[in-house]
Amino acid sequence: KAGVTQTPRYLIKTRGQQVTLSCSPISGHRSVSWYQQTPGQGLQFLFEYFSETQRNKGNFPGRFSGRQFSNSRSEMNVSTLELGDSALYLCASSLNPTANYGYTFGSGTRLTVV
Amino acid sequence: GESVGLHLPTLSVQEGDNSIINCAYSNSASDYFIWYKQESGKGPQFIIDIRSNMDKRQGQRVTVLLNKTVKHLSLQIAATQPGDSAVYFCGLESGGSNYKLTFGKGTLLTVNP
Repeated sequence: KAGVTQTPRYLIKTRGQQVTLSCSPISGHRSVSWYQQTPGQGLQFLFEYFSETQRNKGNFPGRFSGRQFSNSRSEMNVSTLELGDSALYLCASSLNPTANYGYTFGSGTRLTVV
Repeated sequence: GESVGLHLPTLSVQEGDNSIINCAYSNSASDYFIWYKQESGKGPQFIIDIRSNMDKRQGQRVTVLLNKTVKHLSLQIAATQPGDSAVYFCGLESGGSNYKLTFGKGTLLTVNP
């Protein structure tokens, strides 16, 4: 079966712009989580969506937002980009992580802000 | 809140040796502790997990040990192979209505032939 698909794989944006990243979970998975990965901070939790509802949010500014559609696909948006937003953004899907079904990660979107 | 830290950011071993990657965590009401492996250019891949009510679990060539007294988690890889070269992350799950998975910063394992 198809894995978690993230698009685009690579993105270059200018400071001040906004960006939208997309994640298509494994078929049947209703939970989608987003993580930011940087060399200095490692993997940091952004937010988790389940059945179109945001269940939890990490400690990121309001410039980071997300949503989930009825088909479980998810998008995250970053507005007013800063240089420090350069990172690998990872999406992970699960049937239902609170029931310990575990996560499957996509390969990520590499965002570079210049 | 929870935090997860790795003891060593890098580890270099010879092919065929056993590898041990360590992880410490603070304040946890977690149900599960998990190890992930991330190869270059890919997302993290699940390796093995362990429930908080267990102290040891074995998989294929991997063993996870959990010491809740000292809040320490380790991953042992037997007969390490070049294909094991990757970054390894430990993580802990916080359950309930505020579910999330918190990761450590990772250990880069390099296997020398």
